[in-house]
Amino acid sequence: RKEVEQDPGPFNVPEGATVAFNCTYSNSASQSFFWYRQDCRKEPKLLMSVYSSGNEDGRFTAQLNRASQYISLLIRDSKLSDSATYLCVVNIGTGGFKTIFGAGTRLFVKA
Amino acid sequence: DGGITQSPKYLFRKEGQNVTLSCEQNLNHDAMYWYRQDPGQGLRLIYYSQIVNDFQKGDIAEGYSVSREKKESFPLTVTSAQKNPTAFYLCASSIRSGVETQYFGPGTRLLVL
Repeated sequence: RKEVEQDPGPFNVPEGATVAFNCTYSNSASQSFFWYRQDCRKEPKLLMSVYSSGNEDGRFTAQLNRASQYISLLIRDSKLSDSATYLCVVNIGTGGFKTIFGAGTRLFVKA
Repeated sequence: DGGITQSPKYLFRKEGQNVTLSCEQNLNHDAMYWYRQDPGQGLRLIYYSQIVNDFQKGDIAEGYSVSREKKESFPLTVTSAQKNPTAFYLCASSIRSGVETQYFGPGTRLLVL
């Protein structure tokens, strides 16, 4: 089992749609969680951190369920510019450090 | 402007050649990282450094070497021992290693001739 697993995608949605990305992690010692966005042939950029209480930034909502070891990202009212790959990232802090990146889920938003 | 720079953007390597990828940051971050990304795959950690003059192997360190002589610089050498070096190489930094957010440079795309 991979340490961080994401929906394989790709997701193809029309503009204005709501789309949800799911991510599961296997290590219960995971301490911090992030969603990154990566455009084609570019570097990953931080989209948002994920907090236990859930957090929202405009059209984006991130949630964490520690009991189920599950993270989600919801994008409402999708824009063409949201087309990218979304990476789930988990930091495991057990004395040392380890950051695990999911393989990403590709999103295509079409007009 | 604060940030991370990587050079070159594209690099071509001949068989048996060592090449060095540059990574510089002016964010005053202690920790720096090198990742490799292959098409359709997640990032894999090559090496990381938590502080100057210290670095640790990541998951795929074989065929690579690094140095950390200055806080702001963390060059990666792809040696001839790395048999499949074609990939997108990303450098990142964070305030400290551990649970902090990592910020990435624009990447170097390495191709083998």
